[in-house]
Amino acid sequence: DSGVTQTPKHLITATGQRVTLRCSPRSGDLSVYWYQQSLDQGLQFLIQYYNGEERAKGNILERFSAQQFPDLHSELNLSSLELGDSALYFCASSSGGGGNTIYFGEGSWLTVV
Amino acid sequence: EDQVTQSPEALRLQEGESSSLNCSYTVSGLRGLFWYRQDPGKGPEFLFTLYSAGEEKEKERLKATLTKKESFLHITAPKPEDSATYLCAVMNSGGYQKVTFGTGTKLQVIP
Repeated sequence: DSGVTQTPKHLITATGQRVTLRCSPRSGDLSVYWYQQSLDQGLQFLIQYYNGEERAKGNILERFSAQQFPDLHSELNLSSLELGDSALYFCASSSGGGGNTIYFGEGSWLTVV
Repeated sequence: EDQVTQSPEALRLQEGESSSLNCSYTVSGLRGLFWYRQDPGKGPEFLFTLYSAGEEKEKERLKATLTKKESFLHITAPKPEDSATYLCAVMNSGGYQKVTFGTGTKLQVIP
């Protein structure tokens, strides 16, 4: 158990809909990362937050947004969903200090039908 | 731009047949290099962090080494339960500690 908690574990929704994925980082971790992994593909970096502020953006679509709240949990919002958005979405956290390891949650499986 | 290249893409070994996985990287200042193991449909599981050239770390049948340009994950006498995708990532020393992942090596160990 990495200590990073993601909900929901599985989600099936229709095209055009909006979903919210939730992440609770490890206790004490200030940085949260979101990654997308499509079937048999590598990890695609979406966005990073540190202590509530956006730190870096990767290949995140305009239909997607995220935020980190004062209690450090984070949410990834996916809207106007398309079939191609079906993927595993991972949250990861680190303490944010120098050379710190990133620990991953078990992911949220999103299926768009 | 930081880059991580892993080779081979896939590796099939007989049980007990030792081998090495390669991770070549370019990064604007290395803060850390990470190795993860990922099973299908699961989150990457942390294995090692290496910080500077010459550093080595071991865990059971796995040993990770680091040079200024590449890292190796040596697998000694692998067992079928070692079958997984092994991911390498680098964190740069920039202000926001960007992390770049390789595409992984899919390892299959045959009994």
